Amino acid sequence: QVQLVQSGAEVKKPGASVKVSCKASGYTFTNYDISWVRQAPGQGLEWMGWISANNGNTKYARKLQGRVTMTTDTPTSTAYMELRSLRSDDTAVYYCARPRKPYSSGWDYWGQGTLVTVSS
Amino acid sequence: DIQMTQSPSSLSASVGDRVTITCRASQSVSRFLNWYQQKPGKAPKLLIYAASSLQSGVPSRFSGSTSGTDFTLTISSLQPEDFATYYCQQSYSTSSITFGQGTRLEIK
Repeated sequence: QVQLVQSGAEVKKPGASVKVSCKASGYTFTNYDISWVRQAPGQGLEWMGWISANNGNTKYARKLQGRVTMTTDTPTSTAYMELRSLRSDDTAVYYCARPRKPYSSGWDYWGQGTLVTVSS
Repeated sequence: DIQMTQSPSSLSASVGDRVTITCRASQSVSRFLNWYQQKPGKAPKLLIYAASSLQSGVPSRFSGSTSGTDFTLTISSLQPEDFATYYCQQSYSTSSITFGQGTRLEIK
């Protein structure tokens, strides 16, 4: 069965970086993009960007350009999201997600979420 | 960026009620509109994709429709497990995917 398993919660100081992992199983990793979404406490969903697990192409949300990098490691079927120069408003639960079919609309598999807390 | 305006932001209803949630796009998104349900502490769950296609395993009381840039999620007869927050999402612009602000559905 398809699973996306994310790394554990992180506490970081302002200005630091965080790298969240998303390990995929149960499907051919390189056939699907991985998207990243975050949700600040009590707030809505915010798309951060996506990466093609096939060729490494990326697209990032404009507001995060220059601070976010998404990568994949094909041998371990793992996607990574690194966010730099952390601020308090980066405190959120971070999710990875996979579309229901390659190049299709709608994400039907999600990781369990990783809480990143930014606090001095 | 394409703005998705969702209404209402919150809604109180009773078990058995018919409920409608609306999402309006600031420009055409064709049928690249998805609906998600999210319960506290959980990841979102895909309900409807491509405006009106029911995701596998989702009860048939959920349906989606569209008229131009307006999209509607309907729950025909609310069940206790449907009380949650619902989000629309446009994926027409893959360089800037956006969500509505959410609709919190509460028990009356």
